[in-house]
Amino acid sequence: AQKITQTQPGMFVQEKEAVTLDCTYDTSDQSYGLFWYKQPSSGEMIFLIYQGSYDEQNATEGRYSLNFQKARKSANLVISASQLGDSAMYFCAMRGRGDKLIFGTGTRLQVFP
Amino acid sequence: KAGVTQTPRYLIKTRGQQVTLSCSPISGHRSVSWYQQTPGQGLQFLFEYFSETQRNKGNFPGRFSGRQFSNSRSEMNVSTLELGDSALYLCASSLLPTSASYEQYFGPGTRLTVT
Repeated sequence: AQKITQTQPGMFVQEKEAVTLDCTYDTSDQSYGLFWYKQPSSGEMIFLIYQGSYDEQNATEGRYSLNFQKARKSANLVISASQLGDSAMYFCAMRGRGDKLIFGTGTRLQVFP
Repeated sequence: KAGVTQTPRYLIKTRGQQVTLSCSPISGHRSVSWYQQTPGQGLQFLFEYFSETQRNKGNFPGRFSGRQFSNSRSEMNVSTLELGDSALYLCASSLLPTSASYEQYFGPGTRLTVT
């Protein structure tokens, strides 16, 4: 069975500092995709970054980067230079066989001045 | 370009009633997926439609159904509502079926409360 685990219910980071949000996954599929989404209090899910299982380089999108360690089955999100507007819930998700998107339980990030 | 729109944004229903939620995807997008988000179960996939055909279905009872129209707009119906159906229902659209395109754009959601 496919599973996404986010072990940090909440994280605090000071503005302008970097923060790492953890995500581990379990799948027997060879081909899969890993995603990170941001959900502000408004409820809308915002796509941040994607990593394919065959991608050799870590994905980056502006201040977001995905630290992909395939052997350890981890896909941590790194946010550099945190901003107050980064305060939100962050979800790690995976799509594998069956094409269903499976989400983790999320991490609430709070950025303080 | 307008984003994904969902109507209504908030809804209060009584147990036993039925409800229909609507989702209009981004113009040109033909794939629409639905998700349920609850504090207890988190985010769960309901179903995906592409070109008016259901491509994928999550593990939900038959009370949850959906359809997609020729203009790609999608509706989700829940019959015989239960208290546990109270949730945020999110719709996401993508240009292609999710197996071919990795980018999904989500709407603001419909918050359903069942009393």
